[in-house]
Amino acid sequence: QKEVEQNSGPLSVPEGAIASLNCTYSDRGSQSFFWYRQYSGKSPELIMSIYSNGDKEDGRFTAQLNKASQYVSLLIRDSQPSDSATYLCAVTPTGGFKTIFGAGTRLFVKA
Amino acid sequence: DAGVIQSPRHEVTEMGQEVTLRCKPISGHDYLFWYRQTMMRGLELLIYFNNNVPIDDSGMPEDRFSAKMPNASFSTLKIQPSEPRDSAVYFCASLTGGGADEQFFGPGTRLTVL
Repeated sequence: QKEVEQNSGPLSVPEGAIASLNCTYSDRGSQSFFWYRQYSGKSPELIMSIYSNGDKEDGRFTAQLNKASQYVSLLIRDSQPSDSATYLCAVTPTGGFKTIFGAGTRLFVKA
Repeated sequence: DAGVIQSPRHEVTEMGQEVTLRCKPISGHDYLFWYRQTMMRGLELLIYFNNNVPIDDSGMPEDRFSAKMPNASFSTLKIQPSEPRDSAVYFCASLTGGGADEQFFGPGTRLTVL
């Protein structure tokens, strides 16, 4: 079992719709959770971090964490073609920075 | 700030040659990370440093790989001898520490070993 699992996609949504990206992790001791966006040929950039159960909103982005279910999600509201990218879920255990990345979900937003 | 700087941006070499990748972290960042990204394995952490000291090198694939951080503003990742399966994009990232945990990635080095 992979430590951080994501559906590789591609996930295709029309412009203006909500895109929902999901991630599960295996280490129950994980404390920090991140979503990175990576455009083709570019480096990853952080878009959301979340540390406690519940929702965290930042503009059009909402991260959701459920530690009991070992589940993290990212919602993108009012999706734009510029949101088309690969989204990487990342998890860091307690007391360190050994970040584990998922394989990423490719998102296409159709104009 | 210029961000994380990596060189070279592209490297093409032949099997058996030594390859050295370079990274300059963001000034004031206490942590430096080396990652490798391939289609098959995704983004993998190879090693990370705190205040120039290697903290976790469990991701280094084998003895052919070595990393150093002689000072706070410079790190190298060396592959000797290189093999075709080392072909990947290698990213360096830095993090400030002190409670903040956003990693800032450099542009990456695309390595091709023929």
